[in-house]
Parts: sequence; structure tokens; C-alpha cells
Amino acid sequence: RKEVEQDPGPFNVPEGATVAFNCTYSNSASQSFFWYRQDCRKEPKLLMSVYSSGNEDGRFTAQLNRASQYISLLIRDSKLSDSATYLCVVTRGGSQGNLIFGKGTKLSVKP
Amino acid sequence: DAMVIQNPRYQVTQFGKPVTLSCSQTLNHNVMYWYQQKSSQAPKLLFHYYDKDFNNEADTPDNFQSRRPNTSFCFLDIRSPGLGDAAMYLCATSSRRTSRETQYFGPGTRLLVL
Repeated sequence: RKEVEQDPGPFNVPEGATVAFNCTYSNSASQSFFWYRQDCRKEPKLLMSVYSSGNEDGRFTAQLNRASQYISLLIRDSKLSDSATYLCVVTRGGSQGNLIFGKGTKLSVKP
Repeated sequence: DAMVIQNPRYQVTQFGKPVTLSCSQTLNHNVMYWYQQKSSQAPKLLFHYYDKDFNNEADTPDNFQSRRPNTSFCFLDIRSPGLGDAAMYLCATSSRRTSRETQYFGPGTRLLVL
């Protein structure tokens, strides 16, 4: 089983749509979780951290289910500028330390 | 602005010719990482420095080395690049002085091996 698994997509959605990405991780010792965004041929950039109680940042909502070792990202009212690859990232163990990246889910928002 | 800088942004080298990629940071972070990312793949951690302590990943080939002469700079040396080493090389930094560690990435160096 891969350490972090994501649906590679691509997800092709119209502007204004709501889209959800899922991610599972295998290491129950992981304590910190993140979603990064990566544009084509650019570096990953932190989109948001994921907290146990779930958290929201504008149109973006992240959820964590520790029992199922499952993380999600919901994007509401998609914009053209949301088109990118979304990387699910967890710490290898604990709340600090090396990050394990998923391969990413590609999102394409069309007019 | 505080940031992570990588030079050069694009590097072309010949098969077997040593190459050095550089990374600098103005964030005063104590941890610096090097990742390799190939097309449509996840970034793969090669090694990291925690202050002056070097931590190599078990599956990083010996062909890849790193140096960190001071807090601000970190170098990736590829001793004998092969065609399979063509990739984007990402430098990242973080501060383990905080309880929740966030990594900040530089823009990357895209390496082409001829």
C-alpha cells in the first residue's frame, strides 16, 4: 500500500462547480496533514493545513478522519484559477518531520 | 520578502558531467530539504539538513550529495548525472522550532541531461 494515495484525476469541471478530492494515508503515526497546490512546472505551495476538527478557508474546506486515515478537500464555486494539481501531504511520523507527498489530483476548471 | 531562492532555474548538463544546484533562504529556517520530482510524480525526498546534521534517505543513490556551509545555503551535487536524473529539483525549508512544521519551497531547478 502506498504511503499516500490520491485519485490522479483529471477532474474536469465547469466554473462554479463544487469538487471534492480524497486522500488516504497508511501511517497511523502521522500527525500533521496538508494540502499543497502545484501549478504546471512550478513548485508546490501550501494551500492549507488540515486540523482534526476540520477547517475552512474561503471556498476551501479540509476534513480529516483519523480513524479511517482519510483526508478530503472540498472546493466550492470553482474558478478558472483553481486549475492545478492538488497534493495531499502527511508527516512521516508525529507532527514534525519529513513529509510524504501523494502524486496529486489534477483539476481543470473550464469556462 | 523572506523567501527560498534556487539557482539556476534551468540547468543543462552532459551525461556524466558533475553538476551543482544551489538553494538559499532568508527565512532563517533550521531545516533544508532537497526533493526530486519527475513528470506526473510526487516530489521524492532525497535528504535534508537539520541544522548541521545531514539526514540521507535510504533509497537516495550515492550519486547525489549535499553540502550546507551555513544556515542560509544548501547545495545539491550530482557527481555523474545519468539520463534518468533529468527532473525538477526542489529545495524546501522549514522551522522545527515551531510545533507544526510547514515547508516552504523554492521555485525549483529543472535539470536536463544530454
